[in-house]
Order: sequence, then C-alpha cells, then structure tokens
Amino acid sequence: AQTVTQSQPEMSVQEAETVTLSCTYDTSESDYYLFWYKQPPSRQMILVIRQEAYKQQNATENRFSVNFQKAAKSFSLKISDSQLGDAAMYFCAYRSRGGSEKLVFGKGMKLTVNP
Amino acid sequence: SQTIHQWPATLVQPVGSPLSLECTVEGTSNPNLYWYRQAAGRGLQLLFYSVGIGQISSEVPQNLSASRPQDRQFILSSKKLLLSDSGFYLCAWGRGRETQYFGPGTRLLVL
Repeated sequence: AQTVTQSQPEMSVQEAETVTLSCTYDTSESDYYLFWYKQPPSRQMILVIRQEAYKQQNATENRFSVNFQKAAKSFSLKISDSQLGDAAMYFCAYRSRGGSEKLVFGKGMKLTVNP
Repeated sequence: SQTIHQWPATLVQPVGSPLSLECTVEGTSNPNLYWYRQAAGRGLQLLFYSVGIGQISSEVPQNLSASRPQDRQFILSSKKLLLSDSGFYLCAWGRGRETQYFGPGTRLLVL
C-alpha cells in the first residue's frame, strides 16, 4: 500500500520570504500523480499544484513550484514571496494512475506566515 | 465552470440518530464522486466513491453508507450515528484518474 509522509508538523515563514514544505512517499508503482492541497481555516481543500510522475519537468503555478525527485520518492513544495493568505494546513497526496481510486494523504503541515 | 455544493455546513446530532449529508456538482456530467472524512488533526480518509449512478464502492467498513440517486448527487447516510462518526466530511468530484476537487465540507458533531 502507498504511504505519504510529511515529517514536519509545523513551519513558519516571514511574509515575502520563501519556504519549502517536504513530503516523501512510498510506492511500488511507476505511474502516479502527486498533489499539494491547501486547507485554510474554512477547511475547504484547495488544489495548489499537481505533478504527473512520468513528467520529468517540475510543475509550477505562479508562486508555487515543486521539486519532484522520483528516485528518492520526494515531492517538496516551494512557496515564493509568501503572503499572509498562504497560512494554512498543507497536505501532500498521492494517487495511483492505474490502481486505487483514492487519494492517499499525508497528515498535513501547518504553515504560519508572520507579518 | 464546475462547482460543488455540500449541505448542511454544520450538523449536531445525538448518538443513535440518522444522518443524511448531501453533495451536488454543477457544470459537468458523469463525474466520479467521493466521500472523505477528516478526523481532528489528521489527513483525509476515503469512505466511498462512485463512478456512476447506483455504483458505490466502499473503502472502509463502518456505520455509514452512500448512494448516488442522480448523476451529480452523492448522499452519505447512517441509520444510527456513533460518537466516532464525528468529524469533517468532504465530498469531491473528479474526471477519470486526474485531480479531485473538493466541496466546502460538513462539520458533524455527534453528542
């Protein structure tokens, strides 16, 4: 079974600075998707960024980018120019491309942005 | 554009009472639909998913059931709630095996 690990339960960053959130996963599959979701105090899960395992190029969405290291099974999220609105829980998630329907989530990490 | 709705937003129910949570999706047809539960301070756990009307798959044996009476409607139910059913319930939709998009969620407190 696949597992997702977020080893840092909390992090903080100063406004306008850069922060990197780490995620590792375990799978025997070669083709899958990886996601970062953000959960603000409203608790709605919001997609931040998606990476397809067969693509070597790291995904980028505006201030958010990932460092996908397939061999190391690592998927970190970099937030540049941090804003107060980035404060939230961040969840890393895995989904098989051909197997189970479910998203496998990590336990999440709380990001605080200091003004 | 697609939108996903859930109601109620918050629910407080006594132990042993029935439950019905509703999820509807607009702006797409034949979506895959999912029910997740998030216990306090934890990640999400998939409860049920559906790839079509009347087709329900259960991921975790429990006190809950799901139904899909219409293409874009997904209902989570229980005949008798337990204290352990408390949590935050999220509905999601997706196309094929790609991204899942989540609704605003329902906070359920069983007393």
